[in-house]
Amino acid sequence: RKEVEQDPGPFNVPEGATVAFNCTYSNSASQSFFWYRQDCRKEPKLLMSVYSSGNEDGRFTAQLNRASQYISLLIRDSKLSDSATYLCVVTVRNRDDKIIFGKGTRLHILP
Amino acid sequence: GAGVSQSPRYKVAKRGQDVALRCDPISGHVSLFWYQQALGQGPEFLTYFQNEAQLDKSGLPSDRFFAERPEGSVSTLKIQRTQQEDSAVYLCASSSWGPIGYGYTFGSGTRLTVV
Repeated sequence: RKEVEQDPGPFNVPEGATVAFNCTYSNSASQSFFWYRQDCRKEPKLLMSVYSSGNEDGRFTAQLNRASQYISLLIRDSKLSDSATYLCVVTVRNRDDKIIFGKGTRLHILP
Repeated sequence: GAGVSQSPRYKVAKRGQDVALRCDPISGHVSLFWYQQALGQGPEFLTYFQNEAQLDKSGLPSDRFFAERPEGSVSTLKIQRTQQEDSAVYLCASSSWGPIGYGYTFGSGTRLTVV
């Protein structure tokens, strides 16, 4: 089982809709969690950190469920500009603080 | 500089050729990371420097891969005797912190194509 797993998609969602996707991680020693966004042929950029208490930034909400070992990203009122690949990132402490990226979930917002 | 700069942006190498990829991190960032991203995949960790010390090179796929950061700023990733499976985007990231996932700034990457 891969350490960080994501549904590759693509998720094709009409503009204005709400979309959510999850990321599961296998290592219970995982400490920190993030969502990065990567546009086509561009570098990844930090979208938001994920905390146990949940984290909201405008239309974006991230949640962490430690018991079930997954994190989620919810996008409300989706915009065309939200089209991108969303990478789940996990820091594992028992491997010298290694950061592990998921393969990403592709999101296409349709006009 | 204002961001992480990588060069060249694109590199086409013949199989067996040696290549050198350069990363110029944000000034003052002590941590520097190299990642390899194949088409349709997420970035895969290669190696990590804190200043000039290479603290983790466990992700380097073979002894053909070598990275250095001799003065704690610019870093070079060298690939010897390139193979087709080395074709990927090589991303460099720098940070004021260690490998905690926060505060990473990535460069635009070098797209290596081995023919």
